[in-house]
Amino acid sequence: AQSVTQLGSHVSVSEGALVLLRCNYSSSVPPYLFWYVQYPNQGLQLLLKYTSAATLVKGINGFEAEFKKSETSFHLTKPSAHMSDAAEYFCAVSIQGAQKLVFGQGTRLTINP
Amino acid sequence: DTAVSQTPKYLVTQMGNDKSIKCEQNLGHDTMYWYKQDSKKFLKIMFSYNNKELIINETVPNRFSPKSPDKAHLNLHINSLELGDSAVYFCASSQRRGTWPERGTQYFGPGTRLTVL
Repeated sequence: AQSVTQLGSHVSVSEGALVLLRCNYSSSVPPYLFWYVQYPNQGLQLLLKYTSAATLVKGINGFEAEFKKSETSFHLTKPSAHMSDAAEYFCAVSIQGAQKLVFGQGTRLTINP
Repeated sequence: DTAVSQTPKYLVTQMGNDKSIKCEQNLGHDTMYWYKQDSKKFLKIMFSYNNKELIINETVPNRFSPKSPDKAHLNLHINSLELGDSAVYFCASSQRRGTWPERGTQYFGPGTRLTVL
């Protein structure tokens, strides 16, 4: 069964610093991977998704993620954090034919001024 | 234009009551879902409907009954509410036809925060 693990339930960075949120997946077949962001008291917004067309995926708000099959990882990065990036971030996996997303436990990102 | 909408946004009720949450999507998708987010922010699927047909039922208590009058709507009715039902419930939709991963990309509503007293 597929699953995702997000390392670190809480990440804190300074404004302008690099953001790195970790996600490792477990899947017996090629997975489809997603990152979602949840701002306080809001729904989930799709940040980016892995399509297998390219290992480096660019998303909204300057975020990107790199798919590394050898490491079974799909870490999310942003070169320079902004105060508005403070939110909860979720990595999720789906496999072809499945009708559901399996989510990681989420990582709360805090930005320090 | 709101793609996936839910009503109400907040729902506060007493134990034992029956309540419903409504969801509508205007994306033209044919598959809709209900997810539950607990107090620790963990998200888990509850149900999935495709063209009004139940596809997934993830061992949810019988007190929860989804209903899909058409493929643009998926409602969630909860009987005999319990304290443990307090959570945020998210509706989502996707398109089953087409090529992956676009066909599996899910779009979420704003959530309904249910508080059972």
